[in-house]
Amino acid sequence: DTEVTQTPKHLVMGMTNKKSLKCEQHMGHRAMYWYKQKAKKPPELMFVYSYEKLSINESVPSRFSPECPNSSLLNLHLHALQPEDSALYLCASSQDRRRQETQYFGPGTRLLVL
Amino acid sequence: GENVEQHPSTLSVQEGDSAVIKCTYSDSASNYFPWYKQELGKRPQLIIDIRSNVGEKKDQRIAVTLNKTAKHFSLHITETQPEDSAVYFCAATPADRGSTLGRLYFGRGTQLTVWP
Repeated sequence: DTEVTQTPKHLVMGMTNKKSLKCEQHMGHRAMYWYKQKAKKPPELMFVYSYEKLSINESVPSRFSPECPNSSLLNLHLHALQPEDSALYLCASSQDRRRQETQYFGPGTRLLVL
Repeated sequence: GENVEQHPSTLSVQEGDSAVIKCTYSDSASNYFPWYKQELGKRPQLIIDIRSNVGEKKDQRIAVTLNKTAKHFSLHITETQPEDSAVYFCAATPADRGSTLGRLYFGRGTQLTVWP
């Protein structure tokens, strides 16, 4: 399996809702990433997990809460989001962050906050 | 941190022509340079990458060149086809700077349109 999968593909939520995004990879990668991408812009890094430990938090608001339950799974818990948080949320993985290996992206979750 | 500049922001070519996209980077510690292609509504996909110990790499119609002294690298697509139409992002990754290690610093992207 050489793919990163993400669920759901689309998500619409109100500002008071709580939802979660899920990412999974079975390539044995030990680094996993969350990115936010607005239309016609490059992906913006949000969080990096390395060997299931949070190693980078790019000063992301606390309404976004990442979780890495095991080496294959990465979640992003959403709570009290704002309309400006509407974007494509991409998950990525790489073999090992320390060795600058290629990052492989999932298909993304398109989030709309009303 | 690293700063990657990418030009042009849009590029239109006729089918069969060549396309060149250029990027510059600021951090001399960067030594891995991937290029991603993102079609509308799809994920970014790696199309080619180069490491700093190599000056050029080619894969069929796609090639990347790297000039470490000048801190710039370029993507060359020959014999372009309509299916090459997409946004292309260059990126640079520093080697040895703590929290920046392994991070991708993206350029702003180039919208390539290939007209049949």
